[in-house]
Amino acid sequence: AQSVSQHNHHVILSEAASLELGCNYSYGGTVNLFWYVQYPGQHLQLLLKYFSGDPLVKGIKGFEAEFIKSKFSFNLRKPSVQWSDTAEYFCAVNTGFQKLVFGTGTRLLVSP
Amino acid sequence: SAVISQKPSRDICQRGTSLTIQCQVDSQVTMMFWYRQQPGQSLTLIATANQGSEATYESGFVIDKFPISRPNLTFSTLTVSNMSPEDSSIYLCSVEDPGLAGGGPYNEQFFGPGTRLTVL
Repeated sequence: AQSVSQHNHHVILSEAASLELGCNYSYGGTVNLFWYVQYPGQHLQLLLKYFSGDPLVKGIKGFEAEFIKSKFSFNLRKPSVQWSDTAEYFCAVNTGFQKLVFGTGTRLLVSP
Repeated sequence: SAVISQKPSRDICQRGTSLTIQCQVDSQVTMMFWYRQQPGQSLTLIATANQGSEATYESGFVIDKFPISRPNLTFSTLTVSNMSPEDSSIYLCSVEDPGLAGGGPYNEQFFGPGTRLTVL
């Protein structure tokens, strides 16, 4: 069965620090990859997605992620975080048939 | 994109009772999905609900425990039956992107706000 691993469960950063959240998946075929974010008290919303093409994808709010097929990874990055980035971040993989498999999530706390 | 609403937003229920959660979408969508997010855990797909056919359940989830209705292209319900404290979770409805003509297997999904259920 497909699985998604997010290695960091809790991350605490100061404003302006750089962020990298790890995501690895287990599936040997074609995948589509997503990062979702859930701000406190809000819905899950899509941050960015990779379907094909350039493995470096840019999303909203200055986030980007790089798909490295050989490493089965799709790490999320942001060069300089803000207090408003405090949220829970979920990596998800779609291997077809509309089924999303989610990682366990990473809670990010950015201190002002 | 799609705007999704869920009712109720939260509820506290007694063991042995049932709760029906409603999901309403502002546009017609082919596929709707129900997820569960247990405390401290990730989202797990319960079932996929297509209009006009039986819902498709994932391993570990059965229709008797989680009956689903999908009467039209904008609405679905999930019932949590004969509840126990282990059913305490956030239940989320999601839909595939209705804006992509023809759909496809890799569409992104939009999520509702969730229903926080506590079973005593």
